[in-house]
Amino acid sequence: GAVVSQHPSWVICKSGTSVKIECRSLDFQATTMFWYRQFPKQSLMLMATSNEGSKATYEQGVEKDKFLINHASLTLSTLTVTSAHPEDSSFYICSPGGPNSPLHFGNGTRLTVT
Amino acid sequence: DAKTTQPTSMDCAEGRAANLPCNHSTISGNEYVYWYRQIHSQGPQYIIHGLKNNETNEMASLIITEDRKSSTLILPHATLRDTAVYYCIVSSIQGAQKLVFGQGTRLTINP
Repeated sequence: GAVVSQHPSWVICKSGTSVKIECRSLDFQATTMFWYRQFPKQSLMLMATSNEGSKATYEQGVEKDKFLINHASLTLSTLTVTSAHPEDSSFYICSPGGPNSPLHFGNGTRLTVT
Repeated sequence: DAKTTQPTSMDCAEGRAANLPCNHSTISGNEYVYWYRQIHSQGPQYIIHGLKNNETNEMASLIITEDRKSSTLILPHATLRDTAVYYCIVSSIQGAQKLVFGQGTRLTINP
């Protein structure tokens, strides 16, 4: 299956700071990148979808100015949580997509904002 | 995308076959059935997918009913490491289509 590298696997930051999460597809070109988050005891919720070289599309209720997505290459996408607050503490998971393959997922980033 | 319905939780004895059902009665003709699982604090892991024929790989078997309104994921010899939340998802395009996750089935394998 596809190899997806996501890091960091966990991060603790202070309220008001920004955190960047990286997602790399190591063995295929990801024309699309899906970013999910998962709160405790809940399922994964899609936050945004980005296509390489263009702006991301955000799901309803997700602030685009708070969750900055960069998808500048076919192998790397980043999610930056700006001015993080405790309510942003969650498990963030990326999923690079390409044509004609089932989606695979990164191992997630556990963000804790203190 | 069609919605799926799964039992909230199931238990299975180690070494036995685990059969996880999924209802997707509103599935469209071009929609695939995907199964993923999520072990605690990890990202979802792809298991298997199919359109209308039964499928088998090294992890599991997928049985899809003839009318495609339901399916069953079979783990033939469950081990403790198979304890996870299992998600059944239907989606129309392979690869570039977002996956919408329901609540899944929490499968517990007991020694």
